[in-house]
Amino acid sequence: KAGVTQTPRYLIKTRGQQVTLSCSPISGHRSVSWYQQTPGQGLQFLFEYFSETQRNKGNFPGRFSGRQFSNSRSEMNVSTLELGDSALYLCASSLVGTGEKQYFGPGTRLTVT
Amino acid sequence: DQQVKQNSPSLSVQEGRISILNCDYTNSMFDYFLWYKKYPAEGPTFLISISSIKDKNEDGRFTVFLNKSAKHLSLHIVPSQPGDSAVYFCAASGGGSQGNLIFGKGTKLSVKP
Repeated sequence: KAGVTQTPRYLIKTRGQQVTLSCSPISGHRSVSWYQQTPGQGLQFLFEYFSETQRNKGNFPGRFSGRQFSNSRSEMNVSTLELGDSALYLCASSLVGTGEKQYFGPGTRLTVT
Repeated sequence: DQQVKQNSPSLSVQEGRISILNCDYTNSMFDYFLWYKKYPAEGPTFLISISSIKDKNEDGRFTVFLNKSAKHLSLHIVPSQPGDSAVYFCAASGGGSQGNLIFGKGTKLSVKP
C-alpha cells in the first residue's frame, strides 16, 4: 500500500498570505489528522477529520481550517499567515481514529517571511 | 498545561549499550501509549505501543514499560545501534479510537559508534 503523501513538501509564503496544504491518506483509512511541529513545542494536534466531518479540534486559532473529501483526501488552510506559523505540518491517517496507531506523511515545511 | 512530558531533550549512548527514554503523563484517563521515531525530513514512524492493561510490551530490541501508579512509561532499546539515532516521541490517548493523541516534545537520541 502506498503511504501517506503530502504536497507540497516545501513552501515559502509572505506574512498575510494564505496557504493550502494537501494530504492523501493510506487507502482505506478514513481518519485524517493534522499536526504542527515546531522546535519548541513538539507535535501539536490541529484537527481530525473522519468521513468528511471534523471530529476533533486542537487549540489553534480559527485561521487554521481544514476539510476532507469523499475520497478521504484532506486539505488544511491557513489564512492571514503570521511568522509564527512557520513549521512542519504533518498529516497522519488511521483506520478509525486518532486514538490508535497513526501513519504519518513526510510533512510540508512552511516558511513564512 | 503539558499532559505528556519528556523531560530529557537529548540523550547520548554508546553503541551496544542500553538506551532508556522516559515519559511522564498527568492525565489518569490515558489508556493507550505509543512511541514514535522521527528522522530529519521524514514524518514520525510508529515504533511500539502499550495498553494500560499491560505493564510491558516487547518488540525485538524495543521494550516499553508502563507504571500506571507513577504515570510513567519508558522505552528501552537494547542493544542501541547508530541507526537508532533519531528523535523519539511519546504519545498518549484516552478516548478510545476517537480520543486525541497527545504528544510529548521529543527526546533526541544519539547513538555513538
